[in-house]
Amino acid sequence: AQKVTQAQTEISVVEKEDVTLDCVYETRDTTYYLFWYKQPPSGELVFLIRRNSFDEQNEISGRYSWNFQKSTSSFNFTITASQVVDSAVYFCALSDGNDMRFGAGTRLTVKP
Amino acid sequence: SQTIHQWPATLVQPVGSPLSLECTVEGTSNPNLYWYRQAAGRGLQLLFYSVGIGQISSEVPQNLSASRPQDRQFILSSKKLLLSDSGFYLCAWSNRGINGYTFGSGTRLTVV
Repeated sequence: AQKVTQAQTEISVVEKEDVTLDCVYETRDTTYYLFWYKQPPSGELVFLIRRNSFDEQNEISGRYSWNFQKSTSSFNFTITASQVVDSAVYFCALSDGNDMRFGAGTRLTVKP
Repeated sequence: SQTIHQWPATLVQPVGSPLSLECTVEGTSNPNLYWYRQAAGRGLQLLFYSVGIGQISSEVPQNLSASRPQDRQFILSSKKLLLSDSGFYLCAWSNRGINGYTFGSGTRLTVV
């Protein structure tokens, strides 16, 4: 069975701080896909990144970076120099290619 | 390009009334389609998914049903709404889950 755990329910930081959102997953598949989504107050889910199980390269996109480690089944997300606009709920998700399972989400609040 | 449309954006319905939420996708064929529900302050719960016309898989037995009358149309229904049906409903489509999901803008349902 697939499972995604986001142990951090809520995180609050002050603007310009770095923050890491944790994601741990469980799967028996050898091929799988990991995702991060952002849900701003408007409610719509915004795709941030996709990683397949064969690509453990870490990725950086502006202030966002992702650390994928198969050895610990983790796919953590770091925001550098956080901004108020980063305030949102962030979901980690796991797909076997057919359906996707989401973590419970982490609510990030960035205070000015 | 592919787009997904979901309506209405908000809905207030009395207990016991019927429900019909519609979702359509444009610019792709034979997509996987999904209905998720997000209760207030909670994560995403997969309700139904469909891999083809007339093919519906239910994840959680409940007061809701789904139908896929056309390739790019996915409908969420209820004959009699309960208070517990209140929540934020999201429709999504994917190309077999490999590239992640694209979500609609959501419907905020309040059952009173």
